[in-house]
Amino acid sequence: ELKVEQNPLFLSMQEGKNYTIYCNYSTTSDRLYWYRQDPGKSLESLFVLLSNGAVKQEGRLMASLDTKARLSTLHITAAVHDLSATYFCAVDISSNQFYFGTGTSLTVIP
Amino acid sequence: DADVTQTPRNRITKTGKRIMLECSQTKGHDRMYWYRQDPGLGLRLIYYSFDVKDINKGEISDGYSVSRQAQAKFSLSLESAIPNQTALYFCATSDPGSVVEQFFGPGTRLTVL
Repeated sequence: ELKVEQNPLFLSMQEGKNYTIYCNYSTTSDRLYWYRQDPGKSLESLFVLLSNGAVKQEGRLMASLDTKARLSTLHITAAVHDLSATYFCAVDISSNQFYFGTGTSLTVIP
Repeated sequence: DADVTQTPRNRITKTGKRIMLECSQTKGHDRMYWYRQDPGLGLRLIYYSFDVKDINKGEISDGYSVSRQAQAKFSLSLESAIPNQTALYFCATSDPGSVVEQFFGPGTRLTVL
């Protein structure tokens, strides 16, 4: 059974601080996606990582993929309140089915 | 206008009722998906379709059925709703290719009493 685990599940951090969200998965895949979900809203695509060593950055967020370790990270730099949301990683194992992590609920405190 | 729309956005129904959730897209994508989201469980795939004639079960298809009426329309049915089907349901689309990025609809909140 494929497992996609995120940690932490809940994260409360102060503005200006840095932190990393981790996404571990249990089977071979070289496609990993990060999404953001605001309360009561749909999912918005943040990053698409397609190969080992891929790194993508957008503003204060940077995502990376290590397919050998089956690990992706989402790094937050100098957090601001607008980044408060739930972040999901998803693994695509066959271009057919996507398996999502349980999500990390991020709250940035002024 | 939104690229992926879902109707209804909210629905409250009773145990045993038949419910249909509808999804339409204007992105011209071939692939469409239905997911449910439960607190603490992330999103789980119910069904997916690569084209009108290709429909596949996902991780949790029991108790659900789907219909792909056209490239742009993909419906999810609960033949006899039960309370543990109370969840937030999302439709998504994607285009075949190297990226396979998914685009999500706004969601349907379903409550089964």
